[in-house]
Amino acid sequence: SQTIHQWPATLVQPVGSPLSLECTVEGTSNPNLYWYRQAAGRGLQLLFYSVGIGQISSEVPQNLSASRPQDRQFILSSKKLLLSDSGFYLCAWRGSGKSAKNIQYFGAGTRLSVL
Amino acid sequence: GENVEQHPSTLSVQEGDSAVIKCTYSDSASNYFPWYKQELGKGPQLIIDIRSNVGEKKDQRIAVTLNKTAKHFSLHITETQPEDSAVYFCAASTGNFNKFYFGSGTKLNVKP
Repeated sequence: SQTIHQWPATLVQPVGSPLSLECTVEGTSNPNLYWYRQAAGRGLQLLFYSVGIGQISSEVPQNLSASRPQDRQFILSSKKLLLSDSGFYLCAWRGSGKSAKNIQYFGAGTRLSVL
Repeated sequence: GENVEQHPSTLSVQEGDSAVIKCTYSDSASNYFPWYKQELGKGPQLIIDIRSNVGEKKDQRIAVTLNKTAKHFSLHITETQPEDSAVYFCAASTGNFNKFYFGSGTKLNVKP
């Protein structure tokens, strides 16, 4: 069966420090991968999505970047965190190919507090 | 791009009553509409979905309706239970399903 791992679960970082959040998927190949941010009391904002290794699409201009160094690994990064980067970050995957279900499966999320 | 609006932002009902959450979308090319439930501290999970070639779909106590002409879709939960308390998100996607656009969420509180 497929599983998605996201870590760390919580993170407290000072303003100006770097960020690296990792997401890995097991049990599937060539998944579509997604990073979302959920600000307090608000909906899910799509930040990045990837349809393959090294292929990253950015949805909104921001202080963050994403990379996909391996098929089932998706990394969210920042060189210098801002206060506004605080939020709940969710990684998700969806199967690719004609027979794939149109379901996004979410990780447990990382709660990032920038102080 | 697609814009999904969701109402209400909070909803409080008595156990056993029905709850209805409504969403509208802007892109007429959207043809897949899932609903996700997010419990506190967890990632969202799919609870029901509907495609544009269907007007209604039911799964036990939950149902979703779609009006393509008006570009709106709704989630209906009957006989609500305290464990239905969570945040619910609607979403819309086009045929390639690469991107999902989510509504802002509805916090449902079912009072025992």
